[in-house]
Amino acid sequence: EDQVTQSPEALRLQEGESSSLNCSYTVSGLRGLFWYRQDPGKGPEFLFTLYSAGEEKEKERLKATLTKKESFLHITAPKPEDSATYLCAVPGLYGQNFVFGPGTRLSVLP
Amino acid sequence: EAGVAQSPRYKIIEKRQSVAFWCNPISGHATLYWYQQILGQGPKLLIQFQNNGVVDDSQLPKDRFSAERLKGVDSTLKIQPAKLEDSAVYLCASSLGPEPYEQYFGPGTRLTVT
Repeated sequence: EDQVTQSPEALRLQEGESSSLNCSYTVSGLRGLFWYRQDPGKGPEFLFTLYSAGEEKEKERLKATLTKKESFLHITAPKPEDSATYLCAVPGLYGQNFVFGPGTRLSVLP
Repeated sequence: EAGVAQSPRYKIIEKRQSVAFWCNPISGHATLYWYQQILGQGPKLLIQFQNNGVVDDSQLPKDRFSAERLKGVDSTLKIQPAKLEDSAVYLCASSLGPEPYEQYFGPGTRLTVT
């Protein structure tokens, strides 16, 4: 059964304090790993897709990396507006059955 | 480009009542998804449509939930009768196709069953 776990469950940072979020997955034949950001009361917003081990993608203060078993979302010098829940997801074997992790709730304090 | 539209945004019903949610995907997106998101959890896929055909509904509680996608565009999700445990946010998403493309989500409908 495809599974996605995320850690930590919640993370509180001071503005400018860099850190990383983890997404671990077990899936047969990875066909992409997706990162989303979700603000309270809104639907998830797409951030990145990673397809192969060693791949990296960046957007502003965020950088996503991928290994064979996990992905990291690195947040460099975060700002309060980066506060959100960050979700990762993987598709099933045939692109169906997207499985989402439970998310990491990030709070960045000024 | 307009995003995914959903209505209503909020709904409060009593248990055993019925409710329906509507979704209009991004123009040109062939694949449409309905998710259930319980507070504090990630979204759980309920059903996936490719155009107006069902691709996957393995996690849809078919004794009470039903969904259709009219003419391969708009979609409705219905719950009848509702239970307390159906209280959640119902998210609609769309993507270009069935391959693992990025999905674009609507704002969701928050359902409270009392």
